[in-house]
Amino acid sequence: EVQLVQSGAEVKKPGESLKISCKGSGYSFTSYWIGWVRQMPGKGLEWMGIIYPGDSDTRYSPSFQGQVTISADKSISTAYLQWSSLKASDTAMYYCVRHASGSSDYWGQGTLVTVSS
Amino acid sequence: DIQMTQSPSSLSASVGDRVTITCQASQDISNYLNWYQQKPGKAPKLLIYDASNLETGVPSRFSGSGSGTDFTFTISSLQPEDIATYYCQQYDNLLWTTFGQGTKLEIK
Repeated sequence: EVQLVQSGAEVKKPGESLKISCKGSGYSFTSYWIGWVRQMPGKGLEWMGIIYPGDSDTRYSPSFQGQVTISADKSISTAYLQWSSLKASDTAMYYCVRHASGSSDYWGQGTLVTVSS
Repeated sequence: DIQMTQSPSSLSASVGDRVTITCQASQDISNYLNWYQQKPGKAPKLLIYDASNLETGVPSRFSGSGSGTDFTFTISSLQPEDIATYYCQQYDNLLWTTFGQGTKLEIK
């Protein structure tokens, strides 16, 4: 069974750093792209970027370029999304997705990030 | 950038009704269009891919159609468990994608 299991909810202060994770199982982790999607409170879905764990090829949406870093460790089948300096506006639910042939066929359960002083 | 205009933004219908949601792309995207369902407090779920293909395990009351710039998502007979927000998603290349604004579906 394909599963993407994300790390737990985080509460951080503005200016702090954060790295959240997404562990894939039940499929060949290095053969599919992993994407990240943001959903701000009460809002819609925003595509942030994508990584191919096989060779770490990474692409960012222009809106998120320079704001976050996407990485992966194929030895442990885990992708990451990280911030060096969080802002209150980063408060959101973040989903990782397995992306294949243009569609996101499996989703993680989401990681809620709350940034508040 | 390709923009997606999804309508309506909200919809109220009765059990058994036929429900239709539309999505319009700002340029031709062929059939590169997917539909997702997001129930409250849950992650989205892929229902339809490549405009009209039903994902495995999805009930046949869900369907999609269209190509080019105009797409339609239909629930043939609304069930109580279909209460959710529905999103279209375009991909003009396999890695680049944007979502519609979403349609919140409620039971009348």
